[in-house]
Amino acid sequence: GEDVEQSLFLSVREGDSSVINCTYTDSSSTYLYWYKQEPGAGLQLLTYIFSNMDMKQDQRLTVLLNKKDKHLSLRIADTQTGDSAIYFCAETPLPDYKLSFGAGTTVTVRA
Amino acid sequence: SQTIHQWPATLVQPVGSPLSLECTVEGTSNPNLYWYRQAAGRGLQLLFYSVGIGQISSEVPQNLSASRPQDRQFILSSKKLLLSDSGFYLCAWQSGGQGNTEAFFGQGTRLTVV
Repeated sequence: GEDVEQSLFLSVREGDSSVINCTYTDSSSTYLYWYKQEPGAGLQLLTYIFSNMDMKQDQRLTVLLNKKDKHLSLRIADTQTGDSAIYFCAETPLPDYKLSFGAGTTVTVRA
Repeated sequence: SQTIHQWPATLVQPVGSPLSLECTVEGTSNPNLYWYRQAAGRGLQLLFYSVGIGQISSEVPQNLSASRPQDRQFILSSKKLLLSDSGFYLCAWQSGGQGNTEAFFGQGTRLTVV
């Protein structure tokens, strides 16, 4: 199984906020990432956070990092139907910075 | 600009037949290259990882192999496909270095073994 853990499903009403949680494995990971996958497509980088930061905001996206608990979250404000997708968190632990993903959280936005 | 090409987009193969999926990257040199598999449903499993020509790390024991004959070419192969090899295969590249750069993904290959 994956070393990076995520909740599998999230259903949210359009206009509400979505919060996706992730627990990663390796405190040596200097960067932590959120990727988005739309149906039948590859992954695209949404945002990332450097490990010495607690929070990063980018328009509707807010990333929170709790390094002590190795917990990462992604908050999407004012969730839209176009936000329906699978969201993956990822880490690049030492020594080889191999990019490792969680299982992905399927977000479904309902009207 | 950098681009990544992965082909074919879809493939239907009989059990026991060979497989060759190709991925090429343009516009960068010495990238880290990855093959992932996403089984029906979801989950992104790292299959192979390469930091240079001829250098392949296998993450899980399986029916597949990978090769990197050129700096920007990564090939996923099998001699005899199994039904369980069905899935969505994604190639990705990332600048070599300290893991602090974005990874770029191909559009994926949908493999169905029948």
